[in-house]
Amino acid sequence: DTAVSQTPKYLVTQMGNDKSIKCEQNLGHDTMYWYKQDSKKFLKIMFSYNNKELIINETVPNRFSPKSPDKAHLNLHINSLELGDSAVYFCASSQAGFGGADTQYFGPGTRLTVL
Amino acid sequence: AQTVTQSQPEMSVQEAETVTLSCTYDTSESDYYLFWYKQPPSRQMILVIRQEAYKQQNATENRFSVNFQKAAKSFSLKISDSQLGDAAMYFCAYRSAITGTASKLTFGTGTRLQVTL
Repeated sequence: DTAVSQTPKYLVTQMGNDKSIKCEQNLGHDTMYWYKQDSKKFLKIMFSYNNKELIINETVPNRFSPKSPDKAHLNLHINSLELGDSAVYFCASSQAGFGGADTQYFGPGTRLTVL
Repeated sequence: AQTVTQSQPEMSVQEAETVTLSCTYDTSESDYYLFWYKQPPSRQMILVIRQEAYKQQNATENRFSVNFQKAAKSFSLKISDSQLGDAAMYFCAYRSAITGTASKLTFGTGTRLQVTL
């Protein structure tokens, strides 16, 4: 059973389009995250939700909007895609969201290519 | 803000040999966690090992061990008896353990490890 799953795994789209990436975790965790890995492999936090509440919102363009319908799901919607949005987007989850003694488990990543 | 530095962009090790990957970090916090994650070509992020800052004993997981020097803010990963399957990007990461602080991982820039025959 996949613990943290993402769909799609690959996404190729044109500049200006709107796209969504979905994430689901079956670990019963309370907290979910979105990270972005750029072309140089650098990983950076974008957002985090704890029990459907946004707790981390790093400096990310407002074209990016996360949504958490329930604590097992965290989706990422991106409007007006730009070339610089091309990256691998990772979803992760952990039991606690606030200084807890837990580990973050990552999904397989979604490689987004904007043409 | 915390920063994590991995000064070795690439390392190479022969199969069955030992290699050490370096990581230093900067923080003003006294309570935190440190992690090493492995990212093979499949791009899946896999947790290798974790260290709690309040523990003096270095963490060990089979062939993987760390050398945690809190005063020096150093957290190196030693891989013993290297195997071809160890070839991957390795990321060092920091997370605050301060109660009430929203958890996020701060990553280093990664070290690409090659394993040769």
